[in-house]
Amino acid sequence: QQQVKQSPQSLIVQKGGISIINCAYENTAFDYFPWYQQFPGKGPALLIAIRPDVSEKKEGRFTISFNKSAKQFSLHIMDSQPGDSATYFCAASKSGNNDMRFGAGTRLTVKP
Amino acid sequence: NAGVMQNPRHLVRRRGQEARLRCSPMKGHSHVYWYRQLPEEGLKFMVYLQKENIIDESGMPKERFSAEFPKEGPSILRIQQVVRGDSAAYFCASNRDSLGEQYFGPGTRLTVT
Repeated sequence: QQQVKQSPQSLIVQKGGISIINCAYENTAFDYFPWYQQFPGKGPALLIAIRPDVSEKKEGRFTISFNKSAKQFSLHIMDSQPGDSATYFCAASKSGNNDMRFGAGTRLTVKP
Repeated sequence: NAGVMQNPRHLVRRRGQEARLRCSPMKGHSHVYWYRQLPEEGLKFMVYLQKENIIDESGMPKERFSAEFPKEGPSILRIQQVVRGDSAAYFCASNRDSLGEQYFGPGTRLTVT
């Protein structure tokens, strides 16, 4: 049962461009939405997270936009750099319930 | 402050053998989670443990898989009689309490030949 759908599966962006990755969820009880960055051979690392009481959260070049009514959230990477090349996963969970549901991942390649 | 540690990093087993994967949480963390990642897929939740207790094992296959987190020592994910379909990367994560950020280990890549 896939509760978090992520797109696109892969993304190629030129250096300096904006990378946009989208996720949609089904369970309205979810109230914690993190994004993880994973480099080859490494474990996922938390990049940025949002709760549904705000519609946007920005940390440096990374921004999460959240649309509660549409049950969608997205990650925007501004001024994308080759070092951002990695696989990005969105996830969702209910507070206090750590059965976190992950999207299938987006492999981002930033070309120099 | 060391992060989450997992060992071995790579494990090769023949069909029918047992695989034991170990996870040491971050210092001060008493909650551990195990996830499985198949190639080109996201992480799938398997089990959530606190010291000496299994809190949620809803993602764990009913047969051949078991997990423990003893009072002393690392958490262990045990797979008995491995099959080729068990080949995957297994990640554990830990946090201080159930509301905190989960920190992931580097994973164990299991290959069943």
